[in-house]
Amino acid sequence: EAQVTQNPRYLITVTGKKLTVTCSQNMNHEYMSWYRQDPGLGLRQIYYSMNVEVTDKGDVPEGYKVSRKEKRNFPLILESPSPNQTSLYFCASRRSWDREADTQYFGPGTRLTVL
Amino acid sequence: AQSVTQPDIHITVSEGASLELRCNYSYGATPYLFWYVQSPGQGLQLLLKYFSGDTLVQGIKGFEAEFKRSQSSFNLRKPSVHWSDAAEYFCAVGVSGGYNKLIFGAGTRLAVHP
Repeated sequence: EAQVTQNPRYLITVTGKKLTVTCSQNMNHEYMSWYRQDPGLGLRQIYYSMNVEVTDKGDVPEGYKVSRKEKRNFPLILESPSPNQTSLYFCASRRSWDREADTQYFGPGTRLTVL
Repeated sequence: AQSVTQPDIHITVSEGASLELRCNYSYGATPYLFWYVQSPGQGLQLLLKYFSGDTLVQGIKGFEAEFKRSQSSFNLRKPSVHWSDAAEYFCAVGVSGGYNKLIFGAGTRLAVHP
């Protein structure tokens, strides 16, 4: 089954404790991205990757890091989480980076709470 | 700057009634437009998309949307709502050039009364 998976689905942590949210897709997609969803703001892009070893900032990258060492995986790293990073996070993938009409597939989401 | 506006934050309809969710976008070029649905506790599922051709687009679950360039709108419609349609709905525009991303509206939460 074609899918995007994220782990963990729920996470409660404390300020300053480094964490990683994993994302994996099994569709051989080139393009992957991370979004955060906050009430009243919709989804905002954090980082994206056009292919292996090619990543760049989205609209709200502060406090986040990413890496793309393999095509299928795109982990989101919070080196020193803060309470304003409490949010619902979605990973997404798309077949190619240069075809904006392609469907973007989303993972189930990770609800992060930073105390 | 590119943007998407969904004017209605919450909408409540009765089961069996018709539905229209509004979406307006601001984008200089020909837009690629999407509607996604997010059921409680779930990820986003694509309902339909427009990128060219017929301005009336059919999607899954009985939804349709109409692209109106003159009004910069892409409203989502369903003739008869089912209780299972209760969810949050997001309109998005695909932005070309640079990094080809999606810009989302803030969402409309739909409640369905029996």
